[in-house]
Amino acid sequence: AQSVTQPDIHITVSEGASLELRCNYSYGATPYLFWYVQSPGQGLQLLLKYFSGDTLVQGIKGFEAEFKRSQSSFNLRKPSVHWSDAAEYFCAVGYQGAQKLVFGQGTRLTINP
Amino acid sequence: GAVVSQHPSWVICKSGTSVKIECRSLDFQATTMFWYRQFPKQSLMLMATSNEGSKATYEQGVEKDKFLINHASLTLSTLTVTSAHPEDSSFYICSASDSDTDTQYFGPGTRLTVL
Repeated sequence: AQSVTQPDIHITVSEGASLELRCNYSYGATPYLFWYVQSPGQGLQLLLKYFSGDTLVQGIKGFEAEFKRSQSSFNLRKPSVHWSDAAEYFCAVGYQGAQKLVFGQGTRLTINP
Repeated sequence: GAVVSQHPSWVICKSGTSVKIECRSLDFQATTMFWYRQFPKQSLMLMATSNEGSKATYEQGVEKDKFLINHASLTLSTLTVTSAHPEDSSFYICSASDSDTDTQYFGPGTRLTVL
């Protein structure tokens, strides 16, 4: 069965520091992978996605993610975080194309000034 | 592009009443929409898949008679919570699947509080 693990429930980083959020997935075929961000009381905004091709994917707001098949990982990175990046981040794997999404538990990001 | 709206953004109702939530894809057509439920500090749980012009597909454990879904057009799906009870209080989020990009785009969510 498909599953997604985000090992870090809560991460705190200082403004301007680099960020890496981890995501591991379990899926038998080539996965469709997504990162979404959710601000408090809001819906989810798509940051980036990977379907095929270049394993380093660029997204919005300066985020990038790297697909590593050997490690079944799709970690999200940002070189320098801003206070506005504080939010909940969800990794998801899609199967049947994007017709079904399985979400990780989410990682809450706190930014220290 | 790829904007999805939900209405209302929040609703408070009395126990036993029904509540309808609308989900609209504003700039693309969506043959498939999805309804999720999210409890505080938890991830999203898929409730059902809404297919335009056909019956919705419900996930295991979701009562189809309680959560009525209608997808009458390519831009609108509705979720009706019938005979709501306090345990139905939650954050409900819809998404619409854009077949051109094979991506789900999410609405802003609806906070339902049942008194």
